Amino acid sequence: DAKTTQPNSMESNEEEPVHLPCNHSTISGTDYIHWYRQLPSQGPEYVIHGLTSNVNNRMASLAIAEDRKSSTLILHRATLRDAAVYYCILSQSGTYKYIFGTGTRLKVLA
Amino acid sequence: GAVVSQHPSWVICKSGTSVKIECRSLDFQATTMFWYRQFPKQSLMLMATSNEGSKATYEQGVEKDKFLINHASLTLSTLTVTSAHPEDSSFYICSASVTGQSEKLFFGSGTQLSVL
Repeated sequence: DAKTTQPNSMESNEEEPVHLPCNHSTISGTDYIHWYRQLPSQGPEYVIHGLTSNVNNRMASLAIAEDRKSSTLILHRATLRDAAVYYCILSQSGTYKYIFGTGTRLKVLA
Repeated sequence: GAVVSQHPSWVICKSGTSVKIECRSLDFQATTMFWYRQFPKQSLMLMATSNEGSKATYEQGVEKDKFLINHASLTLSTLTVTSAHPEDSSFYICSASVTGQSEKLFFGSGTQLSVL
């Protein structure tokens, strides 16, 4: 299973954009890139996912490198409610088998 | 979005007893569900894949006789921790995939198990 590498922690000021990086150099052609976030004592919450093209939704944007070996989750305006652990996950198309990495703990400063 | 309900939210039990955790898909049918465990300050670890009507597939190192998984219907999967011991204390989370919502998994809210 392809693995992901993320920084352990990041900080952001409230109302500012946040760019959360993820490296996945061993990604295969059929692997989807997913981002989930988790608040303490809760299950992970879906944020966004993509395959090759950049993706936007109401929560965030996902920028995928041309060679697909890295991606960046972009929160356009961080709020205190965005403080969470963010996981970048790869899954082979159709398998739904998610292997979680260590994630990035995002701290948002008021 | 699809809702996955997990029950109970937390449970405390004595060492040696068995505990059952339920995972339900409320508004969709879940052919496949997944069970994870998470220790404090750590990431989620996949334990097993639960398929409706068939035996679960366990990840390497997970004892199938210790963690019994039953997926008897398209909306319910259960995880039973048998003869629980303090080292089984953990946060257990289930998830399910939804046909037509490509590649997305929906997660339950988790169950905190504390074994005394």
